[in-house]
Amino acid sequence: AQTVTQSQPEMSVQEAETVTLSCTYDTSESNYYLFWYKQPPSRQMILVIRQEAYKQQNATENRFSVNFQKAAKSFSLKISDSQLGDTAMYFCASAYNTDKLIFGTGTRLQVFP
Amino acid sequence: NAGVTQTPKFQVLKTGQSMTLQCAQDMNHEYMSWYRQDPGMGLRLIHYSVGAGITDQGEVPNGYNVSRSTTEDFPLRLLSAAPSQTSVYFCASSIDQNTEAFFGQGTRLTVV
Repeated sequence: AQTVTQSQPEMSVQEAETVTLSCTYDTSESNYYLFWYKQPPSRQMILVIRQEAYKQQNATENRFSVNFQKAAKSFSLKISDSQLGDTAMYFCASAYNTDKLIFGTGTRLQVFP
Repeated sequence: NAGVTQTPKFQVLKTGQSMTLQCAQDMNHEYMSWYRQDPGMGLRLIHYSVGAGITDQGEVPNGYNVSRSTTEDFPLRLLSAAPSQTSVYFCASSIDQNTEAFFGQGTRLTVV
């Protein structure tokens, strides 16, 4: 069975600084997908970034990038130049098929001015 | 440009009552799923469907029924609500099993 672990329940960062959220996972599948979702107070689940396991290159989306370490089963999210609007709950998720996501317990990120 | 639409957004039920959470998508997605979100536990898969007429159980299916008579709709039924079903429920859809899942805005359900 797939499992996803987020060991940081809460994180905080100063505006314009960089923060890294940690995620580890366990799967027996050889090909799978990894995701970071953002959930602001509005409750909407917003996809931040995705990574296909067979791709060695780390995914990036503007200020968001990942450090994907396949052998270590680690998938951390780096947010550069943090903005107040980044304040949210962040969920790491893995999937063999994207209709069956396995989520971690989330990290609450607070960005301070 | 509706995407995934869930109704209602909020609901309070008494123990033993039944209700249906509605989910509709207008993107012609084959794959649809229901998740529940509880404090400290992330989102957990309840049921999923890979197309009209096909459904299957996820991690926490007990107490819930689903059906998929059309591509667009994937309702979630609670036959006899229990306080343990107090949660936020999310519906999601994707084109296929390899692409991004789009989420609805969620339904906050309280069972008293």
